[in-house]
Amino acid sequence: DIVMTQSPSSLAVSAGETVTINCKSSQSLLSSGNQKNYLAWYQQKPGQSPKLLIYLASTRESGVPDRFIGSGSGTDFTLTISSVQAEDLADYYCQQHYSYPLTFGSGTKLEIK
Amino acid sequence: QVQLQQSGAELAKPGSSVKISCKASGYTFTSYYISWIKQTTGQGLEYIGYINTGSGGTNYNEKFKGKATLTVDKSSSTAFMQLSSLTPDDSAVYYCARKGARRYFDFWGPGTMVTVSS
Repeated sequence: DIVMTQSPSSLAVSAGETVTINCKSSQSLLSSGNQKNYLAWYQQKPGQSPKLLIYLASTRESGVPDRFIGSGSGTDFTLTISSVQAEDLADYYCQQHYSYPLTFGSGTKLEIK
Repeated sequence: QVQLQQSGAELAKPGSSVKISCKASGYTFTSYYISWIKQTTGQGLEYIGYINTGSGGTNYNEKFKGKATLTVDKSSSTAFMQLSSLTPDDSAVYYCARKGARRYFDFWGPGTMVTVSS
């Protein structure tokens, strides 16, 4: 199974700041066939189910604000949230969608100061 | 709009089984697979498996083979997951989620809480 390691486990920032969340996979998520990285990011607000933010490492899902940016390749990936807003208070998870069994990172809790 | 409606919370005794449902609407049911995901405070999010809503074919995470059984009723656009031989470790929120060919989950149900207690 591919192990996904996220860091940090939690962080607290003030509104307007930029946040970086890291995700590392135990195997490369880069497909040699199409040169795409199979990594997704989800946002889970308190009391809600997860919501897809980004897939294929950097493709934003429809309706997701452009302050959410996914980047990275191979085994190292980053979710950047620029100009964080109060509504971004949530847990964030990465997920590899490269191979079965699909696996998730352990999550990053974002708090707003 | 796409919606996944899940059945209500379950309180079950150790050794028993529960069957939870996920009713889809707002899209062509058989065009996407339905996956199931377990969420606990300690283990985070765990992929259980998926069901091909057209053929009924399944894929299970080895960890959940023998624990979870996935079925589908195309006529009602509903997917089901049965959890058997329940133990307290099965206490969790279980989500159904829509999955496309690229293996990420683009819509999630609201979750069903299962509590296993004597």
